[in-house]
Amino acid sequence: QVQLQESGPGLVKPSQTLSLTCTVSGGSISSGGHYWTWIRQHPGKGLEWIGYIYHSGSTYYNPSLKSRITITVDTSRNQFSLNLSSVTAADTAVYYCARQTYYDFWSGYDLNKYHYFDYWGQGTLVTVSS
Amino acid sequence: DIQMTQSPSSLSASVGDRVTITCRASQTIISYLNWYQQKPGKAPKVLIYGASSLQSGVPSRFSGSGSGTDFTLTISSLQPEDFATYYCQQSYSTPRTFGQGTKLEIK
Repeated sequence: QVQLQESGPGLVKPSQTLSLTCTVSGGSISSGGHYWTWIRQHPGKGLEWIGYIYHSGSTYYNPSLKSRITITVDTSRNQFSLNLSSVTAADTAVYYCARQTYYDFWSGYDLNKYHYFDYWGQGTLVTVSS
Repeated sequence: DIQMTQSPSSLSASVGDRVTITCRASQTIISYLNWYQQKPGKAPKVLIYGASSLQSGVPSRFSGSGSGTDFTLTISSLQPEDFATYYCQQSYSTPRTFGQGTKLEIK
């Protein structure tokens, strides 16, 4: 059973960098086809996709946050990390790490993939405040 | 970005009711649509992927349908544990986007 666990400071000062790590257990972060993802949820609000990384290091970021995000992977430790720079109160949220998995299906002669988030961490609340 | 719009935003229902939640995409997403259930203080849990495929371990009272831009999640007979917030999410393109959520409350 794959498990994900976020770790990092719960309080960050404005203008500083938010740093979180997600530790994966019960499976290898290097297993093919999975994208290791960060998602956040502002208090009482909906879900916002931040970005994800493949075990090779390829990344995809939300354009709305792209200038401030860095996601890295450490396959030797089975971890991936999020850095979000120049934070403001608007970055206060519960941050989740998740695994994006896939399901192969045929559409005519084309092999396609359904992607969805099947394993999630419990989430960690990060508050931006001085 | 593809905008996902759910309706209603909230819904009151009773145990045993049949409930339908709708999700509309701002452009076609074919069938690249997932549904999640979230309970207070917990991470979301996937119910349906590919618009209509039931995730392993999810009760069969949950079903999904639709294609193109319009999708529905149906709960055939509400159970007490189903009262939660439900989100749709498109996986057709990046950035991945979610609907704003539908809160299902006990009547």
